[in-house]
Amino acid sequence: AQSVAQPEDQVNVAEGNPLTVKCTYSVSGNPYLFWYVQYPNRGLQFLLKYITGDNLVKGSYGFEAEFNKSQTSFHLKKPSALVSDSALYFCAVRDIGATNKLIFGTGTLLAVQP
Amino acid sequence: DSGVTQTPKHLITATGQRVTLRCSPRSGDLSVYWYQQSLDQGLQFLIQYYNGEERAKGNILERFSAQQFPDLHSELNLSSLELGDSALYFCASSVEAGRAGELFFGEGSRLTVL
Repeated sequence: AQSVAQPEDQVNVAEGNPLTVKCTYSVSGNPYLFWYVQYPNRGLQFLLKYITGDNLVKGSYGFEAEFNKSQTSFHLKKPSALVSDSALYFCAVRDIGATNKLIFGTGTLLAVQP
Repeated sequence: DSGVTQTPKHLITATGQRVTLRCSPRSGDLSVYWYQQSLDQGLQFLIQYYNGEERAKGNILERFSAQQFPDLHSELNLSSLELGDSALYFCASSVEAGRAGELFFGEGSRLTVL
């Protein structure tokens, strides 16, 4: 079965420093991977996705993610964190079959300190 | 704004009652997905409809049911409510099943069962 794991419940980073939010995956076949962000009392917002092609995927709000097949990872990164980036981040993988159903990780709370 | 509309935003009810949550997908999207978000279970997939037909089913309780109408809006019916059903219920839509497109989420309906 398709699954993703987010090993960190929370990541703390100072404003202006680079940030990384980790995600590893386990899939049958080619992985279709996604990152979403959830601000307090809001829905999930799409950040970026990896389907095929370049291993470095660029997304919204200056975020990017690096797909690493050998390490089965899809870490979310940003060169310089902002306080406004503080939110809950979800990694997700598309399920098998003719569906865009996503299976989500447990989420990582990103806290950016001023 | 994702273009996905969910009503009501908040709902407080008592155990044993029945509620209906409504979702209008983005214009042109044929697929609707329902997810439940709770503190202990994270984001759990409930059910997907594509153009009026059930496409995929997750860990949806027998007390819960859903449907998608000819105008593509969807309703999630929750009956014999229990305290543990208190959660945030999200609807998401996508263009078409079978393509690796992202899901667009509504703001959610927060259900509190007292």
